[in-house]
Amino acid sequence: GQQLNQSPQSMFIQEGEDVSMNCTSSSIFNTWLWYKQDPGEGPVLLIALYKAGELTSNGRLTAQFGITRKDSFLNISASIPSDVGIYFCAGQPGTGANSKLTFGKGITLSVRP
Amino acid sequence: DAGITQSPRHKVTETGTPVTLRCHQTENHRYMYWYRQDPGHGLRLIHYSYGVKDTDKGEVSDGYSVSRSKTEDFLLTLESATSSQTSVYFCAIRGTSGEQYFGPGTRLTVT
Repeated sequence: GQQLNQSPQSMFIQEGEDVSMNCTSSSIFNTWLWYKQDPGEGPVLLIALYKAGELTSNGRLTAQFGITRKDSFLNISASIPSDVGIYFCAGQPGTGANSKLTFGKGITLSVRP
Repeated sequence: DAGITQSPRHKVTETGTPVTLRCHQTENHRYMYWYRQDPGHGLRLIHYSYGVKDTDKGEVSDGYSVSRSKTEDFLLTLESATSSQTSVYFCAIRGTSGEQYFGPGTRLTVT
């Protein structure tokens, strides 16, 4: 089946640094979503992307829908301690309501103060 | 906040017992989903519903059943719990543009 690849599994950065993470697939997706999950909580939607090439920001977060439709990128600028968590991507191959999401396994981000 | 609650939030049960998890939403969303999250696997779809009494299987549906008798409630039942069903279970709803919003999760331990 379809898979979304996120690597590395963990990233360690210094507070104040920018960090980029990407999500790749061998298949085309029509929707890309980025989520953050804190320990013991449900995933929270950060950014949704619907068009190839689309660039969308949400505060210090910026995400892009890759032009090939097979990848997406999330950038966090000027990281702060509360950015710690697991970031994962999700893609939807179709546009119909019955089209299901495929999820990446996530990247655990640590921020050193 | 998409108005999703899950109950219970934590449960410990014994192998072979039935277990029902409840997802409740307050915003009249048509589509609801049940996922499980396990280390190394990410989120995997168990079942989903596209309306009252309309449900379908996901990729890991064996050992699970669902019911949706009201728009706001989507129930997940483990007929006879096994240790392999120890997991964190998330309910989600589909937003207007296809995005999904998740509930807080239920941590289930089967001993």
